[in-house]
Amino acid sequence: AQSVTQLDSQVPVFEEAPVELRCNYSSSVSVYLFWYVQYPNQGLQLLLKYLSGSTLVESINGFEAEFNKSQTSFHLRKPSVHISDTAEYFCAVTSSGGYQKVTFGTGTKLQVIP
Amino acid sequence: DAEITQSPRHKITETGRQVTLACHQTWNHNNMFWYRQDLGHGLRLIHYSYGVQDTNKGEVSDGYSVSRSNTEDLPLTLESAASSQTSVYFCASSESSAGGPADTQYFGPGTRLTVL
Repeated sequence: AQSVTQLDSQVPVFEEAPVELRCNYSSSVSVYLFWYVQYPNQGLQLLLKYLSGSTLVESINGFEAEFNKSQTSFHLRKPSVHISDTAEYFCAVTSSGGYQKVTFGTGTKLQVIP
Repeated sequence: DAEITQSPRHKITETGRQVTLACHQTWNHNNMFWYRQDLGHGLRLIHYSYGVQDTNKGEVSDGYSVSRSNTEDLPLTLESAASSQTSVYFCASSESSAGGPADTQYFGPGTRLTVL
């Protein structure tokens, strides 16, 4: 069985400050890892994903996440946040070699303060 | 542009009534999923389908059913609505044959259902 833990339910941060949203996972097999973002009153959309290769993955809007196998983590970071980054962020995991059954974390609400 | 739509966007119903939520995608994706989103639980999988005539139960399937008669649609039916089914429901789709685990899922805008 696989699981995802997002310990922080809410993260307030001032505009232009750095932010880290934490995600830890557990799985007995190799995994694929995802970060999805949900803007208010919208569905989720993919922010970035790790499949294989380089452990550092980047999104087009300045977010990055690093896969750390030894710590079973996939934390999301941005060096300088904008008001438009205010949203809820979900970490998700699937297990390689099987059908796509995605396990989502409980989400972290990022509130960017002007 | 391809998209995934859900209807209605908001629904209020009474306990015991049958309710059907529609999901329609124009991506021509093989795989479709229904989730519910509740505070403190994130998204939980209700049912999923890897193709026409294929349906499978997710982790919270009790009280829900789906059918897949074509590629584009996966309606979700609440057989007898209960207050515990008050939630926001999201439909999603992905491309790969047999539900490749590396796929990106594309989500609809959601349906907010209130059961009184």
